[in-house]
Order: sequence, then C-alpha cells, then structure tokens
Amino acid sequence: DAGVTQSPTHLIKTRGQQVTLRCSPKSGHDTVSWYQQALGQGPQFIFQYYEEEERQRGNFPDRFSGHQFPNYSSELNVNALLLGDSALYLCASSPAASSGANVLTFGAGSRLTVL
Amino acid sequence: AQKVTQAQTEISVVEKEDVTLDCVYETRDTTYYLFWYKQPPSGELVFLIRRNSFDEQNEISGRYSWNFQKSTSSFNFTITASQVVDSAVYFCALSRSNRDDKIIFGKGTRLHILP
Repeated sequence: DAGVTQSPTHLIKTRGQQVTLRCSPKSGHDTVSWYQQALGQGPQFIFQYYEEEERQRGNFPDRFSGHQFPNYSSELNVNALLLGDSALYLCASSPAASSGANVLTFGAGSRLTVL
Repeated sequence: AQKVTQAQTEISVVEKEDVTLDCVYETRDTTYYLFWYKQPPSGELVFLIRRNSFDEQNEISGRYSWNFQKSTSSFNFTITASQVVDSAVYFCALSRSNRDDKIIFGKGTRLHILP
C-alpha cells in the first residue's frame, strides 16, 4: 500500500520563476494538505484541498496556489519565487469522513531551493 | 491563538539512557488534539500519537510514553532505553478538531542518540 508520494524530490529555481509540485495521496484518502518547512523550523500549514476545492488556507500570499484533481492528487504552485520560498514542501493526506481526519500521513517532501 | 512551544532545540544522550522531550501548548479551545510526529533524516513525518483534550490518561507504547497534563498545558514525550534509531527531529503539534487538518507544529527538538 503506497503512502503519500511527492515529486520532484529536489529542484532548483531562480528568483521570479514559477514552480509546480505534485502529490498523490495515500490510497483511501481524499483530503490533501500542504505544508512548508523552512530549515530548522516546524511545518507551517499552507492550505488544504477537499472535493477539488480549497477548504482552508494558512497565512500565505496568493503566490501560493493549488489544485486537486478528481483522483484526489494535488498540485502546489508557487509564482514569482523569492529566496525565502526555499524550503521543504510537505504534502499530507487524510480521510475526511473519519474520526481520524486530523491524523495526517506525510510524504517525504519536495526540497525547493531558490537562487 | 494556538501555539506550541518546544523549548529544547537539541538534545544528545548516550544510547540506553532515558530522555524526555518537552512540549507546552497554548489554546483557548476547550476541545483540541495534541500530536507527536517523528521526522527522520529522510524527511517524512511519521505519526506517533494523537490525544484529545478530554483524555488525560498517560499512554505507553513500547519504549515510548506520553504525559499529558492540562493543568500545566504540557504534553511531554519520554523515550525509555533510547536507541540510535530514535535519532530524529520530534515535533509536538496541536489542532482544533478531529476534522481540522490545520495542524500547528512546534519548532521541533532534534534528538541525537550517541552509540
């Protein structure tokens, strides 16, 4: 049973560019959340998708956007990259219709470096 | 506002010693959930435990134990007879409900178990 898979694992971009990160949730999960983890910090909530809609959003600018597809997979897009966007981006999934909806299964992350 | 504080940035102990990781949280909610996650060098956060605010019973799982005290807003984690494989970053976290995937993480405690 595959867990949460993310791609790419590593990528390097330059300031001003755009990036798309991808996530496939664990089998049986329909909710996807994205977190940003800067070096030496805890993960910070970006947003959550359920039924192809953004359900919650953290304190991130509109440069951060996302999408969820009918098969529950998700994308995170970041436009106009800044040096401060360099971080590990973690995708997490969970089953919405469950008392364990807030028990997240995380992927290994996509490490973004902005030069 | 919700907040999680892990005052210990880094801890080193010799293998087989016991170690306790501290976690203090702040919330105005009467219902909330507390978590511990482990992040090994691979980057993937691994769920360890979830506790709701109405269950103050301590829990033991093998060499791991958790002490939840609402009176001091603490949810501490103890590893007994530590092993090198326990080396990782450990995060304490908080969420409002079991249907709320927005989880607030602490900054983490990096644990080194020395052989």
